[in-house]
Amino acid sequence: NAGVTQTPKFQVLKTGQSMTLQCAQDMNHEYMSWYRQDPGMGLRLIHYSVGAGITDQGEVPNGYNVSRSTTEDFPLRLLSAAPSQTSVYFCASSYRGTPPDTQYFGPGTRLTVL
Amino acid sequence: AQKITQTQPGMFVQEKEAVTLDCTYDTSDQSYGLFWYKQPSSGEMIFLIYQGSYDEQNATEGRYSLNFQKARKSANLVISASQLGDSAMYFCAMREGGSNTGKLIFGQGTTLQVKP
Repeated sequence: NAGVTQTPKFQVLKTGQSMTLQCAQDMNHEYMSWYRQDPGMGLRLIHYSVGAGITDQGEVPNGYNVSRSTTEDFPLRLLSAAPSQTSVYFCASSYRGTPPDTQYFGPGTRLTVL
Repeated sequence: AQKITQTQPGMFVQEKEAVTLDCTYDTSDQSYGLFWYKQPSSGEMIFLIYQGSYDEQNATEGRYSLNFQKARKSANLVISASQLGDSAMYFCAMREGGSNTGKLIFGQGTTLQVKP
């Protein structure tokens, strides 16, 4: 099993550009989430999904879109990149079952917006 | 509002000694879960230990144990016999509700450095 994979590992964008961060998992997990990590702060939830076709907003959703057409994939779209979106982005997945409902994280994407 | 607080930005510990990383939480839910994750300098997030709010025993996983004091709303991580490889950032996180919601709230993290 590859677990949770994210591409790209690094990305530099100019202000106003759009892009999609890819996330895939091969553990057949129902739940997937996107977090961002800024220096000196913990992870903050952007969007999450409890199954294919179902998504919802987290704590910091503005400027990001998601969709979930399959169980395996959960891409995160930046519509018009801003310097405030410079961050490390983590995708996570977990199963819908009895606890411990551990979230498994991908390796992260380091994004810089100039 | 739900919140996780880690008041120690940085900690030092001597190799082979034990260390406690503090975590306090705030929630109005009776049912919730508490997690600790380790983030080494390479950046990945590694799950360490889980405690459910109704678990009567403190969770243990090898050298990691969770000192759960429900009345004080604290969930401190204890690492026994510290090793150089334990140098990392450690995050406390909480899930509200009795079952998975796909959402975790994280604290700001504590950087631990283990001295030889």
